[in-house]
Amino acid sequence: DGGITQSPKYLFRKEGQNVTLSCEQNLNHDAMYWYRQDPGQGLRLIYYSQIVNDFQKGDIAEGYSVSREKKESFPLTVTSAQKNPTAFYLCASTRWERRGNTEAFFGQGTRLTVV
Amino acid sequence: AQSVSQHNHHVILSEAASLELGCNYSYGGTVNLFWYVQYPGQHLQLLLKYFSGDPLVKGIKGFEAEFIKSKFSFNLRKPSVQWSDTAEYFCAVGGYNKLIFGAGTRLAVHP
Repeated sequence: DGGITQSPKYLFRKEGQNVTLSCEQNLNHDAMYWYRQDPGQGLRLIYYSQIVNDFQKGDIAEGYSVSREKKESFPLTVTSAQKNPTAFYLCASTRWERRGNTEAFFGQGTRLTVV
Repeated sequence: AQSVSQHNHHVILSEAASLELGCNYSYGGTVNLFWYVQYPGQHLQLLLKYFSGDPLVKGIKGFEAEFIKSKFSFNLRKPSVQWSDTAEYFCAVGGYNKLIFGAGTRLAVHP
């Protein structure tokens, strides 16, 4: 079955450490996204990528980094520079058509806790 | 800047009441519009979407939304809510190159 796989489901990090969240899709979608979900703030866009080897900052990119070396993969690194990293992180992908992106398919999310 | 505004952060209704959740967006171009729902402890799932054509869109579970281009709005409606509609609802706008979400509306339906 096609879908998006995020791992791990739960992640604990010590302050000062970088951690990388995995996101893989086998939907053959062009675009991939990382969002952060916090209570009362909805989904805020961290980074997005429309094609391989290209990505753009979203609204809250500071303290995060990404790569897009393969169409299927879009890992997110939460660096020690991110001041408040404890959150629920969602990866998504969309197909791209002439009039823009189609509906998003989401992974199950990764809950990151800084201890 | 592109943005999505959901005006109601918390809505409390009794069963059988009618529902309307507001969504306004700011985007300088052709857009695709979406409503997603997140039930407690579950993943986001698509309720309905608008790409083009009839501005009144019907989705799953009796929900519908109307796209009013002149008002940059895409409000979600349901004539009669059920307790099982208790969830968080997100409006989203897909433009040429990215997909952005509103802050969400928490709906609580009391029996």
